[in-house]
Amino acid sequence: QKEVEQDPGPLSVPEGAIVSLNCTYSNSAFQYFMWYRQYSRKGPELLMYTYSSGNKEDGRFTAQVDKSSKYISLFIRDSQPSDSATYLCATETQGAQKLVFGQGTRLTINP
Amino acid sequence: GAGVSQTPSNKVTEKGKYVELRCDPISGHTALYWYRQSLGQGPEFLIYFQGTGAADDSGLPNDRFFAVRPEGSVSTLKIQRTERGDSAVYLCASTPGGRLGGELFFGEGSRLTVL
Repeated sequence: QKEVEQDPGPLSVPEGAIVSLNCTYSNSAFQYFMWYRQYSRKGPELLMYTYSSGNKEDGRFTAQVDKSSKYISLFIRDSQPSDSATYLCATETQGAQKLVFGQGTRLTINP
Repeated sequence: GAGVSQTPSNKVTEKGKYVELRCDPISGHTALYWYRQSLGQGPEFLIYFQGTGAADDSGLPNDRFFAVRPEGSVSTLKIQRTERGDSAVYLCASTPGGRLGGELFFGEGSRLTVL
């Protein structure tokens, strides 16, 4: 079983919808939680970063971490066609210097 | 450009051949990482350099894979006796130095196809 599980989708929603993306993880030592966005044939780019549990908001994006249930979420409000990409959750233990990624969820926002 | 540069962007080779993939990190970044991303999967860690030395090579799948960074800047990932299962996108990333969580700056990757 993988340390980080993520539904690969694909997920297709209409423009303006609220999108919810989720991951679960198994290692309770994970302390850092990230969401990367990857456009087709490009490298991943950091979207959101959270340390330990809690919420973080940046514009239309909100990241949530619930360490008690080992659950990571990303919410996208007022989704736009430009949000169409693969979204990768990633976690890391303190000092490890290596991210553990989920499989990625392929998201399409339809105009 | 100012980003991480990887060459070649695409490489097609035959089973059993030797391959080198190059990564040029962001100027001044001392930490460099290699990841492998198979089709439909997330990136998987291969190796991490701090300066010239490999600080963690626990992700290298077997002894056919080797990476160097002789001058603490450019890195080369070397794959001997390639197998069809090595087909993937090989991603390189760099960061300014040791980090507590935080952002990896990825290149666009080298897409390797082994026939």
